[in-house]
Amino acid sequence: AQSVTQLDSQVPVFEEAPVELRCNYSSSVSVYLFWYVQYPNQGLQLLLKYLSGSTLVKGINGFEAEFNKSQTSFHLRKPSVHISDTAEYFCAVSRAGGYQKVTFGTGTKLQVIP
Amino acid sequence: DVKVTQSSRYLVKRTGEKVFLECVQDMDHENMFWYRQDPGLGLRLIYFSYDVKMKEKGDIPEGYSVSREKKERFSLILESASTNQTSMYLCASTIFGPKQGVVQETQYFGPGTRLLVL
Repeated sequence: AQSVTQLDSQVPVFEEAPVELRCNYSSSVSVYLFWYVQYPNQGLQLLLKYLSGSTLVKGINGFEAEFNKSQTSFHLRKPSVHISDTAEYFCAVSRAGGYQKVTFGTGTKLQVIP
Repeated sequence: DVKVTQSSRYLVKRTGEKVFLECVQDMDHENMFWYRQDPGLGLRLIYFSYDVKMKEKGDIPEGYSVSREKKERFSLILESASTNQTSMYLCASTIFGPKQGVVQETQYFGPGTRLLVL
């Protein structure tokens, strides 16, 4: 079974500053990794995903994440945040290949301060 | 455009009532999921279905059941609602699965139903 840990439950950051949201996973097999974003009063939507290939993955809204197999991490970064990035971010993992159940982290609330 | 809809955004029910939460997707997806979302706990999988009339238990199925009579519709049933089932319920669907031969992985979520059980 796989698991995912988001150590930071809340991250406050000033507008236009860079941000990193941390995600570590645990699995004994190859994995797919995802970041989803949830804006207030909405469902989740996919931000980006790693399936294979390049370890640097670019997503929507200027976000990117880097898959680090040796450190079992998939941290999310943005060089300059905007007020509209205020949301909750979820890291998720599934076993690679075919259909597999997705396991979500507990979420990180990003609060962008004007 | 991809769409997953849930029958209600907000529901208030009383303890012991039978509660139905409906989810409909218009993407012809094989797989559908029900999660509950609670502060500090993230999303936890209740049930999922990879085909019509098929269902599998997720991580927290106790107190819930599901029904999938048609491909586009996946219902979550609380047989006898309790206060500890007060939560946000999220439905999702995805195309990936062993029958498809194509791995898409992305889950598409509905807007959620916030359920309060008094």
